[in-house]
Amino acid sequence: AQSVSQHNHHVILSEAASLELGCNYSYGGTVNLFWYVQYPGQHLQLLLKYFSGDPLVKGIKGFEAEFIKSKFSFNLRKPSVQWSDTAEYFCARYNQGGKLIFGQGTELSVKP
Amino acid sequence: DAGVTQSPTHLIKTRGQQVTLRCSPISGHKSVSWYQQVLGQGPQFIFQYYEKEERGRGNFPDRFSARQFPNYSSELNVNALLLGDSALYLCASSRPGTGEETQYFGPGTRLLVL
Repeated sequence: AQSVSQHNHHVILSEAASLELGCNYSYGGTVNLFWYVQYPGQHLQLLLKYFSGDPLVKGIKGFEAEFIKSKFSFNLRKPSVQWSDTAEYFCARYNQGGKLIFGQGTELSVKP
Repeated sequence: DAGVTQSPTHLIKTRGQQVTLRCSPISGHKSVSWYQQVLGQGPQFIFQYYEKEERGRGNFPDRFSARQFPNYSSELNVNALLLGDSALYLCASSRPGTGEETQYFGPGTRLLVL
């Protein structure tokens, strides 16, 4: 069965630091990968998605992710974080049955 | 355009009771999915409906049921509530058949079972 794993449970950064959150997906099935963000008290929002094409995907709010097939990875990056990026970040993919499978989530805390 | 809407936003129930949660998809989206999110974990898939038919079911007991109406809105029902059913219930809508199906989430219903 397809799965997604996120390496970091909690990341703490200072403003202006660079961010990279890890996401690995299991082998098999069609590639479809997503990053969602959940700001405190708000609903899950789509940051970016990858289905095919250019492996470097640009998303909203300055986020990007790189699909590396050989490493089964889809890491999320941002060159310079802001306090407003404090949130929980989820990597996800569909399994063969069409269910969206989420990773455990990474809580990002940005210190002002 | 309006996003996915859910009602109620919060709900408190006692063990053994039944609850119904409601979801309205984005206009033009014919598929609705339900997820349970327990604190500190990623959302877990419960159901997906497309064109009023169940398209998929997650690993949840039969106490959980759902349906989709002709206007594509959906209800999630949970019977015989347990303390462990306390969670954020998320609804997502999507437009299947595009080749790049993407799910958009509502604000959720926070259920507390006492």
